[in-house]
Amino acid sequence: GAGVSQSPRYKVAKRGQDVALRCDPISGHVSLFWYQQALGQGPEFLTYFQNEAQLDKSGLPSDRFFAERPEGSVSTLKIQRTQQEDSAVYLCASSLGASWVQYNEQFFGPGTRLTVL
Amino acid sequence: QQPVQSPQAVILREGEDAVINCSSSKALYSVHWYRQKHGEAPVFLMILLKGGEQKGHEKISASFNEKKQQSSLYLTASQLSYSGTYFCGTERAGNTGKLIFGQGTTLQVKP
Repeated sequence: GAGVSQSPRYKVAKRGQDVALRCDPISGHVSLFWYQQALGQGPEFLTYFQNEAQLDKSGLPSDRFFAERPEGSVSTLKIQRTQQEDSAVYLCASSLGASWVQYNEQFFGPGTRLTVL
Repeated sequence: QQPVQSPQAVILREGEDAVINCSSSKALYSVHWYRQKHGEAPVFLMILLKGGEQKGHEKISASFNEKKQQSSLYLTASQLSYSGTYFCGTERAGNTGKLIFGQGTTLQVKP
């Protein structure tokens, strides 16, 4: 497709359930980022991939959060044993080059709104 | 570490101008500006690099003061479509490209 796509767009989970959020970046984009956006706040960095390598996971809030990008394209963010504080919009972004490329604008997907009851 | 944006909110009439500021306490490599409408993805507007280079949409202008670690986004002759929340994302040198976003500035343009 022309842009970054994410699925599902909405997810409701009961506390304690595991969820998996999918991101399809723009074809050929090397870099992929996951962000968490709470209501009324700016996106907050979670993790970064360059191709299939996860180079930075410093923003993952706990070991319940896990991300992968096994073939360097599609990425999945998994949250185990969801808690109410995990409720947020999860945004995926991709950019054409590696992180050190000079002009490296990130293109965002529409996000997945996760609600944990 | 999170950059501070000001003002938090602004209301304009069509055709009026506005300036949105973004300040960081850390030395920056680049500043990125995005606009997000309710329920939609953030849309890229502009990148400003340390050293003065920049890339963005033709109708958007911005500045980056390296001494003050401050960036400003200039919205001139505003249109209804400019309404939304504006975020600055800052990138530090040696980073992986991750952006630290400000809390956002909500802009409403009225007819």
